[in-house]
Amino acid sequence: GAVVSQHPSRVICKSGTSVKIECRSLDFQATTMFWYRQFPKKSLMLMATSNEGSKATYEQGVEKDKFLINHASLTLSTLTVTSAHPEDSSFYICSARDWDPYNEQFFGPGTRLTVL
Amino acid sequence: AQSVSQHNHHVILSEAASLELGCNYSYGGTVNLFWYVQYPGQHLQLLLKYFSGDPLVKGIKGFEAEFIKSKFSFNLRKPSVQWSDTAEYFCAVNEGSGANNLFFGTGTRLTVIP
Repeated sequence: GAVVSQHPSRVICKSGTSVKIECRSLDFQATTMFWYRQFPKKSLMLMATSNEGSKATYEQGVEKDKFLINHASLTLSTLTVTSAHPEDSSFYICSARDWDPYNEQFFGPGTRLTVL
Repeated sequence: AQSVSQHNHHVILSEAASLELGCNYSYGGTVNLFWYVQYPGQHLQLLLKYFSGDPLVKGIKGFEAEFIKSKFSFNLRKPSVQWSDTAEYFCAVNEGSGANNLFFGTGTRLTVIP
C-alpha cells in the first residue's frame, strides 16, 4: 500500500508554545488529508479534513484557531497546535487519500505530543 | 452523528482458536464499513472494507467480515488466529456516497498466546 509519514514521531513542549506536525504522502498525490486525535483507550476522532489548496473543514468542537491546518501541496499537510496546553497532549494521526473518495485512506504512524 | 461500538475491549486467545470481534454502528442510511488493524508500533492498516454487494467480505491475512444490515453489525472473523495477529483492531464506518468522515470504534486489543 501507499506510504504516509509523519514528523516528528514524538514531541515534548512547554505550555504556551506552538508545535508543528507534518504529514507527507510519499508515493502518491494526496488530494485529501485527514487529521485525527486519539486519546488513551479511545477511538480516533476526526479533527479536520483538508483538500489541497483549500481551507480545512473542521469537525464540530475543534477550534480552528488552535489547530491550524495547511495543505499547501499534494504531498504535504501540516497541523500546528498553537499555544499548546497540557490538555492538548495526545496522539495525533494523519491519513491521506487520492482524488477518489472511494479509495482507501492510508494512515501515518502518528505523533505523540506531550505538553508540560 | 454516527457512533460505532466495539464491545470487546481486550480479547485473549490461544493460537488456532477462532476469532470474532463485534462491531455495531448507529447510522440508519447507506454506510461503508471498514476494519483496520494496528500492530504494535505500527500505523493503522486496512484489513477489509465493505461498500456494496456480497455482505461477506474477505480481507487480507485470512480475515473476513459479515455485514448484517438488520443488526447494524459488521463483525470481524478469523477461523484460526496466529501469534502474529496480536494487535489492536478498529472498526470504522462512513456514510455512503463516498463521504470522507470515518467514525471509529474504540478498538479491541487482541492478544494471541502461543
